[in-house]
Amino acid sequence: GQNIDQPTEMTATEGAIVQINCTYQTSGFNGLFWYQQHAGEAPTFLSYNVLDGLEEKGRFSSFLSRSKGYSYLLLKELQMKDSASYLCAVREGDYKLSFGAGTTVTVRA
Amino acid sequence: IAGITQAPTSQILAAGRRMTLRCTQDMRHNAMYWYRQDLGLGLRLIHYSNTAGTTGKGEVPDGYSVSRANTDDFPLTLASAVPSQTSVYFCASSASGGATDTQYFGPGTRLTVL
Repeated sequence: GQNIDQPTEMTATEGAIVQINCTYQTSGFNGLFWYQQHAGEAPTFLSYNVLDGLEEKGRFSSFLSRSKGYSYLLLKELQMKDSASYLCAVREGDYKLSFGAGTTVTVRA
Repeated sequence: IAGITQAPTSQILAAGRRMTLRCTQDMRHNAMYWYRQDLGLGLRLIHYSNTAGTTGKGEVPDGYSVSRANTDDFPLTLASAVPSQTSVYFCASSASGGATDTQYFGPGTRLTVL
């Protein structure tokens, strides 16, 4: 199984940048996912990394280093609607995902 | 129907009662999953199904059972509910196995066992 760690909470100002780190330990890494979850709603897919490096999607970027067991999600030009929980999830094998406890990001005006 | 639906949206249940949470997807995804989400613990996999007719145990399967009679439906049953099963339950589906397979989540069922 995996041990997935991410910070519990982060606060940032509207327009700023926030970086959410995720570290993991796994015996059979097969990809890392980031999901966004607004309060009371379902998780929604944000990004996927399986190779080392940076994947950019608009204001959101995700980075992976497999040798270090490390990923981060970078949120740029923060907006109030970005206030949510961000979930790091690691795939081991084909189907199953293991999730971290999530990082709650609060964006302040 | 578009995507994944779950029913009921919320439920209050007496301990010892039997309860089935329903999940239906219309994306013709082969794989389906049930998770529970508890504060501070994140999403934990209860059971999964790689394809119709097959099921497997996840991280926290005790007290739960599933069936997968067809591609679209994946019900989760609590045979005799206990208060520790109070949680938010999410159903998810994905197209098939493979490195880029993304899971899509339903809206969730909030279950309270008293």
